[in-house]
Amino acid sequence: KQEVTQIPAALSVPEGENLVLNCSFTDSAIYNLQWFRQDPGKGLTSLLLIQSSQREQTSGRLNASLDKSSGRSTLYIAASQPGDSATYLCAVLNTGGFKTIFGAGTRLFVKA
Amino acid sequence: GAGVSQSPRYKVAKRGQDVALRCDPISGHVSLFWYQQALGQGPEFLTYFQNEAQLDKSGLPSDRFFAERPEGSVSTLKIQRTQQEDSAVYLCASSLMTSRDSYEQYFGPGTRLTVT
Repeated sequence: KQEVTQIPAALSVPEGENLVLNCSFTDSAIYNLQWFRQDPGKGLTSLLLIQSSQREQTSGRLNASLDKSSGRSTLYIAASQPGDSATYLCAVLNTGGFKTIFGAGTRLFVKA
Repeated sequence: GAGVSQSPRYKVAKRGQDVALRCDPISGHVSLFWYQQALGQGPEFLTYFQNEAQLDKSGLPSDRFFAERPEGSVSTLKIQRTQQEDSAVYLCASSLMTSRDSYEQYFGPGTRLTVT
């Protein structure tokens, strides 16, 4: 059974810091891993998607890596800004059924 | 183009009432997912449709939960005899679900259900 864990559960950093959010999963039989952002009371905004055959994806100040064999992904945020404050969720799309399993998220607060 | 839309955005139901939540996916997206998100948790998978076929309903928590997508477009999640533990945000996502698209999912804003 696929399980997804995100560490840390919460993080508070001063503006300008670079930071890393971690995601681990137990079953490597996945189509992709997707990182999302969720603002309070809102739906999910897709940030980056990494296919199972890829090792990383980049978008602006965000870089996500995937090591499928070890069941790990990291989301790197460079030069954090107060507007980055949100909950960050990772999700894996399982093969053999398209079931998507989410982690519980990391709540990020960037202080001005 | 328009994204995924959900209605209503907020729903308050008395315990024991039936509710129906609607999802309008992105036009042309063959796949549709429903998720339940409790406060402070990540979304939990409920069910998956490919066109009108419900291919996976393993996440539905009880037989009080029923989902349909009769014409392969709009979907409805129905909860019968609501209980307080059903209070959550219900999220819908759609996808082209092709390898070219990398199976990316696009989410709606959710319906917040409160059962009193």
